[in-house]
Amino acid sequence: EAGVAQSPRYKIIEKRQSVAFWCNPISGHATLYWYQQILGQGPKLLIQFQNNGVVDDSQLPKDRFSAERLKGVDSTLKIQPAKLEDSAVYLCASSLTGVPYEQYFGPGTRLTVT
Amino acid sequence: AQSVTQPDIHITVSEGASLELRCNYSYGATPYLFWYVQSPGQGLQLLLKYFSGDTLVQGIKGFEAEFKRSQSSFNLRKPSVHWSDAAEHFCAVGPRARNTDKLIFGTGTRLQVFP
Repeated sequence: EAGVAQSPRYKIIEKRQSVAFWCNPISGHATLYWYQQILGQGPKLLIQFQNNGVVDDSQLPKDRFSAERLKGVDSTLKIQPAKLEDSAVYLCASSLTGVPYEQYFGPGTRLTVT
Repeated sequence: AQSVTQPDIHITVSEGASLELRCNYSYGATPYLFWYVQSPGQGLQLLLKYFSGDTLVQGIKGFEAEFKRSQSSFNLRKPSVHWSDAAEHFCAVGPRARNTDKLIFGTGTRLQVFP
């Protein structure tokens, strides 16, 4: 069974530029999560989708971050414009509906904002 | 406020030695409890979890953890560490609620293993 796929794996941009990350969850997983992991900290949930609807986006900085999951499968997380403090690893995870706390994580995208 | 504390930022042990990583939580009620491992360049992998029942839980790779309600702790242990255990280890909690599985992570403990 293929795992959660993310791309790109690494990205370096200058502040005020835009960036997008892509995630393809495990086949059949209706729930998808985006986490931000700043160096030296644990992951923090940014947004959770159930199919193509948002379940929780309470910690998403909506002035610059956006995410979509249009067809209920893969998802895109965008930052526009980026700030230095956005430098982090962005992790995507997925799970089956009705099976709480069984999240499978992708390898992450490491973003460096200079 | 809900929080998870991992007081040890970095731990170094010799291969074959025993290991204990500490985790304390602050929560309104006893949450679900988890330990994850993250190897360099890899995503998080679930080592073990505690939902209810026996307070000593067994996980993958020979790890175990003990839930102590009186101490609000969920320490991770392994009797004999292998070089492949070198990684970042995260403790996490989640609410016992039907409509959410939101995880709150600690800051992690980096485990280094010497041959």
